[in-house]
Amino acid sequence: GAGVSQTPSNKVTEKGKYVELRCDPISGHTALYWYRQSLGQGPEFLIYFQGTGAADDSGLPNDRFFAVRPEGSVSTLKIQRTERGDSAVYLCASSLIGQPQVGVLTFGAGSRLTVL
Amino acid sequence: AQSVSQHNHHVILSEAASLELGCNYSYGGTVNLFWYVQYPGQHLQLLLKYFSGDPLVKGIKGFEAEFIKSKFSFNLRKPSVQWSDTAEYFCAVNPVEGNKLVFGAGTILRVKS
Repeated sequence: GAGVSQTPSNKVTEKGKYVELRCDPISGHTALYWYRQSLGQGPEFLIYFQGTGAADDSGLPNDRFFAVRPEGSVSTLKIQRTERGDSAVYLCASSLIGQPQVGVLTFGAGSRLTVL
Repeated sequence: AQSVSQHNHHVILSEAASLELGCNYSYGGTVNLFWYVQYPGQHLQLLLKYFSGDPLVKGIKGFEAEFIKSKFSFNLRKPSVQWSDTAEYFCAVNPVEGNKLVFGAGTILRVKS
């Protein structure tokens, strides 16, 4: 597609439930990122994929968070046993790899997660 | 770990006023520097970037930023703001040996018409 597509745009769930957030990056973009943005904060890095593999998952807050990108295109962020503190906008971004493209990210609109 | 500090969380200006948004980062190595912008109801998008060369870089819509290595700063400027510049502005840093873009907390700019 022309841009990065994220679904759902809004998700309301109850504490303890499981949630999946999907990201469809720009075709041909090998790099894919997940960020989390809480109110009043900048985007916080969660995980970076280069192709199918997670090249850097140092930002995942704990083992309740997991992300996959099995075919090197669409990615799914999975959150188990959701907590109220997980409420945030989850942003996906994609880019080409290598200089000078590193850091030049195209963002999606985000998935707003609310945990009641 | 790298961090990015943006000096003001909210800025209110009148149209035609000059703008300078401060950004400082902490990282001892070589970095790439960025400003991203999020207009109301829109996605985050790239405003400008610095990789190397001339430390004064120009971006879209008349914005520019100056990299001062000795001060670890990358301040954003615009000589004369317009109402349409109302948005949230994020400074971001990427160490050249890594792939992780680290963002500041953002500055909300409101331009009064």
